[in-house]
Amino acid sequence: QSALTQPPSASGSPGQSVTISCTGTSSDVGEFNYVSWYQQHPGKAPKLLIYEVNKRPSGVPDRFSGSKSDNTASLTVSGLQAEDEADYYCSSYAGINNFVLFGGGTKLTVL
Amino acid sequence: EVRLLESGGGLVQPGGSLRLSCATSGFTFNAYAIHWVRQAPGKGLEFVSSISSNGVTTNYANSVKGRFTISRDNSKNTLYLQMGSLRAEDMALYYCAREVGGLRWSWAFDVWGHGTMVTVSS
Repeated sequence: QSALTQPPSASGSPGQSVTISCTGTSSDVGEFNYVSWYQQHPGKAPKLLIYEVNKRPSGVPDRFSGSKSDNTASLTVSGLQAEDEADYYCSSYAGINNFVLFGGGTKLTVL
Repeated sequence: EVRLLESGGGLVQPGGSLRLSCATSGFTFNAYAIHWVRQAPGKGLEFVSSISSNGVTTNYANSVKGRFTISRDNSKNTLYLQMGSLRAEDMALYYCAREVGGLRWSWAFDVWGHGTMVTVSS
């Protein structure tokens, strides 16, 4: 069982928006604004999409956005494209005892 | 181009040791904290360890604390992970990844290598 909880799957049609949740606790997601999101295609290394809850690294399309409310963080993918089909992982800083916790991953299918 | 290239993975018996390396290029190595993250076959991501830009501060996941040691040689732009007392559950693809915050910890990883596979089996 992963420390952060994500739905195992999500789906949407091209052009639609999809939101993936990431639920932690008051000791990780709820306490720190160090939530990140990663995209991973099969056989590839993860790619950083969002860091510090809602910041995008250069080169990441603004179709990807992040937010947080209490102990739950969310990644929204707008204007779904075929190439968005991948696994998505959230992570959060969790203090000096656990450092970084990851979610179990969500497989996004573009219908 | 910013690059991280892991090496040193392989087959090791339970209880054995292995040293992973992560050679970097294309950025000012001594200005960034660096992390190790692993992924067991078919599984999710797991934080392993991290080290500050100057090597003074090191962090470990509870699952590897006391068995793994992270280090870096800023003169060689290279990161290391000395792994000992290896267990079956350590079998994974090990990635090195750059800290997005540079000197500042944001606990996010913006550049990743392709990983090196560690197999623990008798």
